[in-house]
Amino acid sequence: AQRVTQPEKLLSVFKGAPVELKCNYSYSGSPELFWYVQYSRQRLQLLLRHISRESIKGFTADLNKGETSFHLKKPFAQEEDSAMYYCALSGTGTYKYIFGTGTRLKVLA
Amino acid sequence: GAVVSQHPSRVICKSGTSVKIECRSLDFQATTMFWYRQFPKQSLMLMATSNEGSKATYEQGVEKDKFLINHASLTLSTLTVTSAHPEDSSFYICSARGLAGGPGIGELFFGEGSRLTVL
Repeated sequence: AQRVTQPEKLLSVFKGAPVELKCNYSYSGSPELFWYVQYSRQRLQLLLRHISRESIKGFTADLNKGETSFHLKKPFAQEEDSAMYYCALSGTGTYKYIFGTGTRLKVLA
Repeated sequence: GAVVSQHPSRVICKSGTSVKIECRSLDFQATTMFWYRQFPKQSLMLMATSNEGSKATYEQGVEKDKFLINHASLTLSTLTVTSAHPEDSSFYICSARGLAGGPGIGELFFGEGSRLTVL
């Protein structure tokens, strides 16, 4: 079954602390993985995707096919990182995205 | 970047009436658009996939006759909530996928969402 799992509903960290938002997936083919972010009162927007291998706003995510994970990491959290983060999967040859349930990140001052 | 616009952003209607929500891709063509429903502080639930020129594909548990989707052009998809009831009150979000040769290939671009309140 195709599935994206984000085990944490809420993650609270202090400013300057490292943060890791977990994402595991289940997919039989070769998926493309994404992280989308939704800041307060804003629309969802792409944060990063695994094929780009970029660091956006200090965030990185590495696709680990062995562990079927795509965890989002940032070494030093900032208050402006507080938002809702969704991990998503797009299957090969399909236009359908599967979203995880999301993790709300709160960065405390 | 590519922009997806939804209208209206907020709508209040009486129980039993129908409401139409529009989703437009402003500067790119989208043969496929997606409609989601988002509950407060929860994830997006995919309702249906809207394909230009053909019937929408609905997810399991989504009533086709209640949530009518039309995708008549490459830049417009509409969601009509028919005979709305208070339990249909929610935040509805559309998205469009960037095409090959266009902006953000494979990336989903989201509308700002439409909050429906059924009294």
